[in-house]
Amino acid sequence: ETGVTQSPTHLIKTRGQQVTLRCSSQSGHNTVSWYQQALGQGPQFIFQYYREEENGRGNFPPRFSGLQFPNYSSELNVNALELDDSALYLCASSLRGLYGYTFGSGTRLTVV
Amino acid sequence: KQEVTQIPAALSVPEGENLVLNCSFTDSAIYNLQWFRQDPGKGLTSLLLIQSSQREQTSGRLNASLDKSSGRSTLYIAASQPGDSATYLCAVETGGGNKLTFGTGTQLKVEL
Repeated sequence: ETGVTQSPTHLIKTRGQQVTLRCSSQSGHNTVSWYQQALGQGPQFIFQYYREEENGRGNFPPRFSGLQFPNYSSELNVNALELDDSALYLCASSLRGLYGYTFGSGTRLTVV
Repeated sequence: KQEVTQIPAALSVPEGENLVLNCSFTDSAIYNLQWFRQDPGKGLTSLLLIQSSQREQTSGRLNASLDKSSGRSTLYIAASQPGDSATYLCAVETGGGNKLTFGTGTQLKVEL
């Protein structure tokens, strides 16, 4: 059974650029969620995808968008990067409300 | 709006001590509560999941309890070891079962 894998592990972007982060869900899981974790803070919910549709969104602007694919993998896209977008981005997969969430190792995004 | 608080924010103990980490939440209408461990700069490792109908869960030296009515959970770690040093995060699932709300964590250091 494979866990949740995220790529890339680290990324440096310039303010104003766009970035795409990728996540492969754990085998058997059909739901993917994305979280942003600033230094010293708890993760903040960005959005969740179920059956390729957004199923809930946190307090993040529209320049944060996502996709879920038929194999349940997912992408997080962020446009017009700002310095405050620098954070650890965590992907989590689950089986639609059962058995809790499994997290990946995260992508460290630095915006300069 | 669900808010999760963890006390203490940081804790330093000698090896072998038993310790208790506390988590409180404002909205008792939760689906479940999950405890995670996070090593510096890494992703989240799930430790214990307590469904809303359960009172406690145990795994090895870890025991987590849940009191929904009072909005509290505790994570008990027996016979602490230096390898237990990490940040421990508590998260509750609410909002229709599609998001986790996290506390800011307890940073634990177990010294030799």
